[in-house]
Amino acid sequence: DVQMTQSPSSLSASVGDRVTITCRASQRISNFLAWYQQKPGKAPKVLIYAASTLQSGVPFRFSGSGSGTDFTLTISSLQPEDVATYYCQEYNSAPPLTFGGGTKVEIK
Amino acid sequence: QVQLVESGGGVAQPGTSLRLSCVASGFSLTYYGMHWVRQAPGKGLEWVAVISYDGSNRYYADSVKGRFSISRDNSKNTLYLQMSSLRPEDTAVYYCAKGNSASWAAPAVDWGQGTLVTVSS
Repeated sequence: DVQMTQSPSSLSASVGDRVTITCRASQRISNFLAWYQQKPGKAPKVLIYAASTLQSGVPFRFSGSGSGTDFTLTISSLQPEDVATYYCQEYNSAPPLTFGGGTKVEIK
Repeated sequence: QVQLVESGGGVAQPGTSLRLSCVASGFSLTYYGMHWVRQAPGKGLEWVAVISYDGSNRYYADSVKGRFSISRDNSKNTLYLQMSSLRPEDTAVYYCAKGNSASWAAPAVDWGQGTLVTVSS
């Protein structure tokens, strides 16, 4: 099974800061990676799939990059409404479709 | 617009069964793979199961394999999760989610609001 390791597990940044979250796969998964945002008490929402494709309706301040084993989610200018927990998930050729452990983003 | 509504959650005793349903609207279930994902209280997301558009491929997390069964009725636009031999560690909010393709190997692009399953004696 592929293991997905996210870092950091939490971060605190100021409004307007550039925020970067990383996700590392235990084996190569090409670009079969999605990023989700989950606000407290709400269902997750997909932000990015295929490592770098922005889901329709998602603000352009969110971007994704990477391929193989190392991936990054970047928020170019953190906004108050971005307070949430972010998860990566691989969906490579073999199940399970593993989630990372999550990164909690707060405003400083 | 796409809407997914889960039901069937509640309190169950260990060793018993529950069946979750997820009714889809705003799109035809026929064309998409579908997932179940759960989240234990205060914990992260755990993928549970996936089914391809026609039901020919079904896969499960090791933690539920042999106890849970995913199925679909495309004529009713409904996804199911039959849960048996429930354990306290199955306590979680269960989400159904729509993939972005017919394949099972696809990201979950639309999610329901979730239904809470509590396993306790």
